[in-house]
Amino acid sequence: AQSVAQPEDQVNVAEGNPLTVKCTYSVSGNPYLFWYVQYPNRGLQFLLKYITGDNLVKGSYGFEAEFNKSQTSFHLKKPSALVSDSALYFCAAGGGGGNKLTFGTGTQLKVEL
Amino acid sequence: DGGITQSPKYLFRKEGQNVTLSCEQNLNHDAMYWYRQDPGQGLRLIYYSQIVNDFQKGDIAEGYSVSREKKESFPLTVTSAQKNPTAFYLCASSSQSGRSYEQYFGPGTRLTVT
Repeated sequence: AQSVAQPEDQVNVAEGNPLTVKCTYSVSGNPYLFWYVQYPNRGLQFLLKYITGDNLVKGSYGFEAEFNKSQTSFHLKKPSALVSDSALYFCAAGGGGGNKLTFGTGTQLKVEL
Repeated sequence: DGGITQSPKYLFRKEGQNVTLSCEQNLNHDAMYWYRQDPGQGLRLIYYSQIVNDFQKGDIAEGYSVSREKKESFPLTVTSAQKNPTAFYLCASSSQSGRSYEQYFGPGTRLTVT
């Protein structure tokens, strides 16, 4: 069975500092991995994905993520955080040829001035 | 949220009543999904459909039903058998072609049952 772990319920960072939101996964076969962001009472917005190729994936709004196969991780990063980045972030994983995704429990990012 | 609409945004029902949540997409996607979101639990898959007139149970299908009579539409009925129906419900769709895989989400419906 697929599983996704986001070990931090909340991450606090000062504006201008780099941020990291952690994600580890367990899937059969080659994984495909995603990050989504959710603002209050809204749907999820797609940020970026890893299917194959370069381990460093760049996405929307300056976010990037690094796929690490040996550590089964896909951490989300941004070099310089903005207050407007404050939101709920979800990591998701799929694999085995199917199109079902398994989502993590989410990490609340809070960027403070 | 573009391309997927869910209505209504807020829905209130009395316990014991069935309620149907609407989901429509104009992205020409073959696959559609329904998720339930509860605080601290992430998204849990209720039902999904990969093609018209076919659908499969997800992880928490009990107390829910769906239909997929048209490619664009995937309504979810929350029945009186669902023991804890109050939640935020999200519909999503994805393309089956190429290597896209990512799901696109609607704005959600917040259901409150009292």
